[in-house]
Amino acid sequence: DTAVSQTPKYLVTQMGNDKSIKCEQNLGHDTMYWYKQDSKKFLKIMFSYNNKELIINETVPNRFSPKSPDKAHLNLHINSLELGDSAVYFCASSQGDRGGYEQYFGPGTRLTVT
Amino acid sequence: GQSLEQPSEVTAVEGAIVQINCTYQTSGFYGLSWYQQHDGGAPTFLSYNALDGLEETGRFSSFLSRSDSYGYLLLQELQMKDSASYFCAVRDLNQAGTALIFGKGTTLSVSS
Repeated sequence: DTAVSQTPKYLVTQMGNDKSIKCEQNLGHDTMYWYKQDSKKFLKIMFSYNNKELIINETVPNRFSPKSPDKAHLNLHINSLELGDSAVYFCASSQGDRGGYEQYFGPGTRLTVT
Repeated sequence: GQSLEQPSEVTAVEGAIVQINCTYQTSGFYGLSWYQQHDGGAPTFLSYNALDGLEETGRFSSFLSRSDSYGYLLLQELQMKDSASYFCAVRDLNQAGTALIFGKGTTLSVSS
């Protein structure tokens, strides 16, 4: 029944490792996103993905790469993890132009890099 | 660029009314959204104003003045469960698509 789900919920890893976070939505939405929320709760867009069109926030390091096997899934791969990557990562989805104001967020993945 | 300003913290007591303000700067504007986030939880959509005026949804209302680049979220009959962070957001015009830019959030603490 979960609309937007993410796995894992918690991820603890060491610097230099490569990790992935998975996201699935069962809402039939056409757009999916990844947001990063830092320790001060600042939410910032990383990527949006619509109908095979990937829009990347230019400030995101290329160590981060989204991969979408199909419309319902948008996974996030992170290479060579750094301490500064520690944050909560939220997947979200939306439908049509409503995405410009109404988005549905997953429960988040708390990534800790040691 | 685009930016949103909102107070960092607001405190109130149960049963009271609280207003969380948001001012925005953006070259283009579609409307102002509000999201609620409890500690450890996900942001959830509360309301959206595209036009001037007040939108009411139960105990929560949201107001927009496009001429003043200003909006607010009004929470009435506060309950303990309303303790959360509240974010205003606008559509990110720096990118194609429908990503959102969020304010830094207002932490609301409701006490008994």
